[in-house]
Amino acid sequence: DAKTTQPTSMDCAEGRAANLPCNHSTISGNEYVYWYRQIHSQGPQYIIHGLKNNETNEMASLIITEDRKSSTLILPHATLRDTAVYYCIVVAGGTSYGKLTFGQGTILTVHP
Amino acid sequence: DGGITQSPKYLFRKEGQNVTLSCEQNLNHDAMYWYRQDPGQGLRLIYYSQIVNDFQKGDIAEGYSVSREKKESFPLTVTSAQKNPTAFYLCASSITGAPDQPQHFGDGTRLSIL
Repeated sequence: DAKTTQPTSMDCAEGRAANLPCNHSTISGNEYVYWYRQIHSQGPQYIIHGLKNNETNEMASLIITEDRKSSTLILPHATLRDTAVYYCIVVAGGTSYGKLTFGQGTILTVHP
Repeated sequence: DGGITQSPKYLFRKEGQNVTLSCEQNLNHDAMYWYRQDPGQGLRLIYYSQIVNDFQKGDIAEGYSVSREKKESFPLTVTSAQKNPTAFYLCASSITGAPDQPQHFGDGTRLSIL
């Protein structure tokens, strides 16, 4: 699976959009970009995933660059409950199962 | 509500003792997974199962065992052969084992050694 690089930490004001970047410059054509988040002492929560196209769901939007070497997770209106560690991961397609490998992630702190 | 239930939330093991962690899902998912998370580290896959009565070793299966006798249940046994069992254990499930199907997690079991 391709390696991902994320900033160690980011801050965001409550009510503003949080834009979390992720670099995956070695991604292959059949690898998916996934985003999860984890609040301390809880299990990871799935947020969104995509292959080539931008995706949006009730939680967030995922913007993938045309060359697929980077992506941005957008939380449109951050709340205090969005404070968590956010993981960007790449999952290989074309295999029989999807193994998740989390890196260090980005600690997002939402301030009042 | 549909979801994944792990129990207990906290578990203590004595030296030489086997312990079993429970994972139950009512999402009708075929695939289930066990991961281990150590402080400051990412997830490591212990075992996974894509269908009832079948399971495969992950990256760190030594000292662990599983069974998948029912679709909704995937218990993990930490045996005495696992020399460093203190960790946060996470169970996940997905509709199928395909890479384009997101995995959904339970809230974990924290295992400590007495």
